[in-house]
Amino acid sequence: RKEVEQDPGPFNVPEGATVAFNCTYSNSASQSFFWYRQDCRKEPKLLMSVYSSGNEDGRFTAQLNRASQYISLLIRDSKLSDSATYLCVVNGNLKAAGNKLTFGGGTRVLVKP
Amino acid sequence: GAGVSQSPSNKVTEKGKDVELRCDPISGHTALYWYRQSLGQGLEFLIYFQGNSAPDKSGLPSDRFSAERTGGSVSTLTIQRTQQEDSAVYLCASSLGGTQPQHFGDGTRLSIL
Repeated sequence: RKEVEQDPGPFNVPEGATVAFNCTYSNSASQSFFWYRQDCRKEPKLLMSVYSSGNEDGRFTAQLNRASQYISLLIRDSKLSDSATYLCVVNGNLKAAGNKLTFGGGTRVLVKP
Repeated sequence: GAGVSQSPSNKVTEKGKDVELRCDPISGHTALYWYRQSLGQGLEFLIYFQGNSAPDKSGLPSDRFSAERTGGSVSTLTIQRTQQEDSAVYLCASSLGGTQPQHFGDGTRLSIL
């Protein structure tokens, strides 16, 4: 089983709609979680951290479900500019120096008019 | 402020040549990561440096790949006897520590002819 898994998509979303997707992780002791956004042929950029109690940043809401070992990202009122690949990041191998962060393969979101 | 700086932005070289890619992390960041990404694919972890600890080299695909981080700052990724399958974007990221979010450079686009 991969350390961090995501549905690759694409999720085709009408403009203005809500979309949500999950990311599962295998290490129950993981403590740090993040969502990144990557545009085509660009570097990944931090979108938001994910906190235990869940957190919101504008139209974006992140949740953590420790019992089922997944994090989620919800985008409300989707904009065309939200089209991107969304990467989840989890701190993975606790045996490695410094708790290396591990990226999922990404979920592609396409917002259409 | 200054972000992660990578050089060169683009590198075209002939098969069999050696290449060196440079990464200058954000000042004060103790963790440094190298990834590569082929077109349309996810991030492939290569190597991780955290402070003075031994680097996590578990992602290096072959012994043709090596990396150094001198003085806890600048890092160089070296690929010897390049092959066409080495063509990809090589991304460097740094963070304040292993569990903190990573900040990426713009990447080096490597093309092996």
